[in-house]
Amino acid sequence: QQQVKQSPQSLIVQKGGISIINCAYENTAFDYFPWYQQFPGKGPALLIAIRPDVSEKKEGRFTISFNKSAKQFSLHIMDSQPGDSATYFCAVRSTGFQKLVFGTGTRLLVSP
Amino acid sequence: DSGVTQTPKHLITATGQRVTLRCSPRSGDLSVYWYQQSLDQGLQFLIQYYNGEERAKGNILERFSAQQFPDLHSELNLSSLELGDSALYFCASSLGTGGYEQYFGPGTRLTVT
Repeated sequence: QQQVKQSPQSLIVQKGGISIINCAYENTAFDYFPWYQQFPGKGPALLIAIRPDVSEKKEGRFTISFNKSAKQFSLHIMDSQPGDSATYFCAVRSTGFQKLVFGTGTRLLVSP
Repeated sequence: DSGVTQTPKHLITATGQRVTLRCSPRSGDLSVYWYQQSLDQGLQFLIQYYNGEERAKGNILERFSAQQFPDLHSELNLSSLELGDSALYFCASSLGTGGYEQYFGPGTRLTVT
């Protein structure tokens, strides 16, 4: 069963715009919510992560917004740049199983 | 560069064969995780080792096995290969055993013909 649903599947944003990617999870027994960025031919790279005791975390142009009651979290990329064009994966960590379950990925294209 | 190394980068083999993928974790990391990434299944957790001991198992087939050696490098063995095993195989490492802050290697692309 899919424990985390990611949307949209693909996204095109103009340079300088805001990219927003959403994830929704189905289980309350998750305690860590990272986002990974993957360029073609490369491994996923840890971008930013949040724990459920905070509602927002910002690192540079990247922000995670976390809504515990709605079981949703999102990645916002401010001032999106062509170099941000990549596939982004959200993930959740199960407290019981201590493993990461990944979303299906969002392919972001930032047009110049 | 995450500090995690994987070899080989590419591997082409025939059905029924056996291959070994190798991973060296970041300096200081004790946990190694193996993942399979395919177009239809996405990024799937296979297995985790911590300081030489198996800690968690995911969707790993019985034809697949792994181990972590005293120097903390890990190997993933895939046997009786099928066409459907063609995928990218990633290892990741982390300091502790809890699954937090995993850093991925560049992957091994396996093609089974």
